Amino acid sequence: ETGVTQSPTHLIKTRGQQVTLRCSSQSGHNTVSWYQQALGQGPQFIFQYYREEENGRGNFPPRFSGLQFPNYSSELNVNALELDDSALYLCASSQQGANEQYFGPGTRLTVT
Amino acid sequence: SQQGEEDPQALSIQEGENATMNCSYKTSINNLQWYRQNSGRGLVHLILIRSNEREKHSGRLRVTLDTSKKSSSLLITASRAADTASYFCATDGWTGSYQLTFGKGTKLSVIP
Repeated sequence: ETGVTQSPTHLIKTRGQQVTLRCSSQSGHNTVSWYQQALGQGPQFIFQYYREEENGRGNFPPRFSGLQFPNYSSELNVNALELDDSALYLCASSQQGANEQYFGPGTRLTVT
Repeated sequence: SQQGEEDPQALSIQEGENATMNCSYKTSINNLQWYRQNSGRGLVHLILIRSNEREKHSGRLRVTLDTSKKSSSLLITASRAADTASYFCATDGWTGSYQLTFGKGTKLSVIP
């Protein structure tokens, strides 16, 4: 078990709504990355936050946004939810520049 | 987009047998990592192999890397029922931020 926690565990939302997912980093880690994992697929990189600023982004539209707080915890916000946003959302914390990332248990989002 | 492709997609073996999973990737890499995921939950880091390494061992795990063929393999020896999980390879690189690019994974079932 890593020290990375995520909340909530499960979430059901309706198309068009907005959602906020939360992640608490492992102690001593200053970088948080978010990944989306659709059913039967590998995780896909959404973006990374370092020193409270976005520090790289994958191929996701602007309605996916995030925040990182001074204590290095992070939020992922998704606006105007679409059915295809249904997935497991994983956050991973690390030290900036480190090779290994430590993943949380994920939040399973279902959009109906 | 997915960088790597794992092969096979699914593998079923008896407890005590060895399990071999393969991963192919498309672009040059710094490192290649293998992760395990139990029942759609968080990913656990297993092993990292650097691009200048050819083989690495960790307990019952053996990873090989052939950069000329852009491929890697993960061997789990003397498998146990607890090894039942999905296994993903991930390549990493610096593109302004440090991100992992995952394959689709191999689902391993170890039958007691």
